[in-house]
Amino acid sequence: AQSVSQHNHHVILSEAASLELGCNYSYGGTVNLFWYVQYPGQHLQLLLKYFSGDPLVKGIKGFEAEFIKSKFSFNLRKPSVQWSDTAEYFCAVMGSTNAGKSTFGDGTTLTVKP
Amino acid sequence: DTAVSQTPKYLVTQMGNDKSIKCEQNLGHDTMYWYKQDSKKFLKIMFSYNNKELIINETVPNRFSPKSPDKAHLNLHINSLELGDSAVYFCASSQGYSPLHFGNGTRLTVT
Repeated sequence: AQSVSQHNHHVILSEAASLELGCNYSYGGTVNLFWYVQYPGQHLQLLLKYFSGDPLVKGIKGFEAEFIKSKFSFNLRKPSVQWSDTAEYFCAVMGSTNAGKSTFGDGTTLTVKP
Repeated sequence: DTAVSQTPKYLVTQMGNDKSIKCEQNLGHDTMYWYKQDSKKFLKIMFSYNNKELIINETVPNRFSPKSPDKAHLNLHINSLELGDSAVYFCASSQGYSPLHFGNGTRLTVT
């Protein structure tokens, strides 16, 4: 079975602050990892993904995430957040034997104060 | 062009009614899904179809019945709606291990 845990339920930051959202997964094998963002009132959109190769992946809008296999983690980072980054962020895992089945974390609400 | 489109966007209905939500994708993906997002934003998979065949059927009341007439369409029919069914329902599609492409969601309110 695969599972995902997001440690922060609600994060509040001021503009220009740095962001790190935690994500840990559980799966006994090779994984594909994703971060999705959901802006208020909108659908989920892909921020970035990790399949293999360089564990530091860069996504859209200045976001990046680092896959640390030894820690089963895939934390999301951004050096300087903007008010427009206010959204819900979801981490998701898809195990190598679970093609097409992504398991989502419970989400982190990010509020950026102008 | 909208990649994954679902209708209606809003659905308000009374308890006990039957309703349907439709979803279409033009990405050529083989797999389509229904997800439910509750008021706390938790996102849970309900069903998944691959080439019109049901492959994932999570613990969902049998009042919910998906139907896939072809691989580009996946509809969701809900019988005897209950208050607890109120949520946002997202359709999505993917190909193999690719990321999910989500529709804009259908906000269902049961009164």
